Amino acid sequence: RKEVEQDPGPFNVPEGATVAFNCTYSNSASQSFFWYRQDCRKEPKLLMSVYSSGNEDGRFTAQLNRASQYISLLIRDSKLSDSATYLCVVSFSSGGYNKLIFGAGTRLAVHP
Amino acid sequence: DADVTQTPRNRITKTGKRIMLECSQTKGHDRMYWYRQDPGLGLRLIYYSFDVKDINKGEISDGYSVSRQAQAKFSLSLESAIPNQTALYFCATSGLQEFTGELFFGEGSRLTVL
Repeated sequence: RKEVEQDPGPFNVPEGATVAFNCTYSNSASQSFFWYRQDCRKEPKLLMSVYSSGNEDGRFTAQLNRASQYISLLIRDSKLSDSATYLCVVSFSSGGYNKLIFGAGTRLAVHP
Repeated sequence: DADVTQTPRNRITKTGKRIMLECSQTKGHDRMYWYRQDPGLGLRLIYYSFDVKDINKGEISDGYSVSRQAQAKFSLSLESAIPNQTALYFCATSGLQEFTGELFFGEGSRLTVL
């Protein structure tokens, strides 16, 4: 079983749609959670951290459910520019180092 | 100019050849990392370094070696490349301050081993 699992997609949605991605993780000792965005043929970039109480950044809302070990990302009012792959990342402490485990990503394609 | 620069950006080589991927950064970060990315798999850590005298193996270090020549430079070597090392390789950095989960990636080096 992968440590971090995501639906690979693609999610094809029209502009203006609301879309949600889920991610599950297997290590219950995971402490920190993040969403990264990776545009086609580009490097990953941090989109947002995920806090226990849930957090919002503009059109993006991230939520964490520790009991069920899943993380979600909700994108409202999708824009063409949101088309990208979204990587779920979890972190846990290992040997004094905060180890990051990346999911394989969920691809989003927003069309006109 | 990019804060984290990787060279070469693309390389095609043959099985058994020695390959070096180079990474330099202007962010002033102490921590540097090498990852590989394969379709359907998440980024996997090859090696990481917390300062010039500190080198650590990641989860998939077999077949790779690294050198931290200076705070700003971290190179990855494949001593004898094999086809299953065909992948997209990323160098990344992070600051020494409180862990934020943010890695700063280079633009990637696409390696094909024939």
